[in-house]
Amino acid sequence: DAKTTQPPSMDCAEGRAANLPCNHSTISGNEYVYWYRQIHSQGPQYIIHGLKNNETNEMASLIITEDRKSSTLILPHATLRDTAVYYCIVRVLSGGSNYKLTFGKGTLLTVNP
Amino acid sequence: DSGVTQTPKHLITATGQRVTLRCSPRSGDLSVYWYQQSLDQGLQFLIQYYNGEERAKGNILERFSAQQFPDLHSELNLSSLELGDSALYFCASSVAAGGGTEAFFGQGTRLTVV
Repeated sequence: DAKTTQPPSMDCAEGRAANLPCNHSTISGNEYVYWYRQIHSQGPQYIIHGLKNNETNEMASLIITEDRKSSTLILPHATLRDTAVYYCIVRVLSGGSNYKLTFGKGTLLTVNP
Repeated sequence: DSGVTQTPKHLITATGQRVTLRCSPRSGDLSVYWYQQSLDQGLQFLIQYYNGEERAKGNILERFSAQQFPDLHSELNLSSLELGDSALYFCASSVAAGGGTEAFFGQGTRLTVV
């Protein structure tokens, strides 16, 4: 799986959009970008994933650059409950049974009132 | 609630002892993954089982072992415990095999070795 680079920490004001960047310059053509978050010692929670098109769900939007070397996770209206460590992971999505995730250090997002 | 159940939530034991952590995956999920999270190592993949068979191994110590039973629940056995084994242990499950694009994590078992 390709390596990712994320800033160690970011701050965001409550109610504003939080934009979390991720660099994955060595990503392969068959690797997807996944985002998970972990709220203080709880189990990681899936947020969103994408291959090359932008994706949106009820939690967030994922913007992937055209060359796929970087992406941004957008939380449109951050709340205090969004304070967490956010992990960007790239991995192959195959029809097989191996969905092992390789977590890096992630970005600690702190949402301030 | 992810649908993945881990027991116990907390465990305190002495060095040299053996413990068993249990995981019940989401209904219908065939794959179970075990992860260890310690303060200095982050989330580390330990091992994966799919429908009862071991599928992938990560940084799992020889003192640790796991299995997945016919009803798909899984157990992680940790023996000859050392202080450094103190960590959060997470179980995750996914549909795998042709379906499922995300893994669902349980709330973890916090193991403290004293």
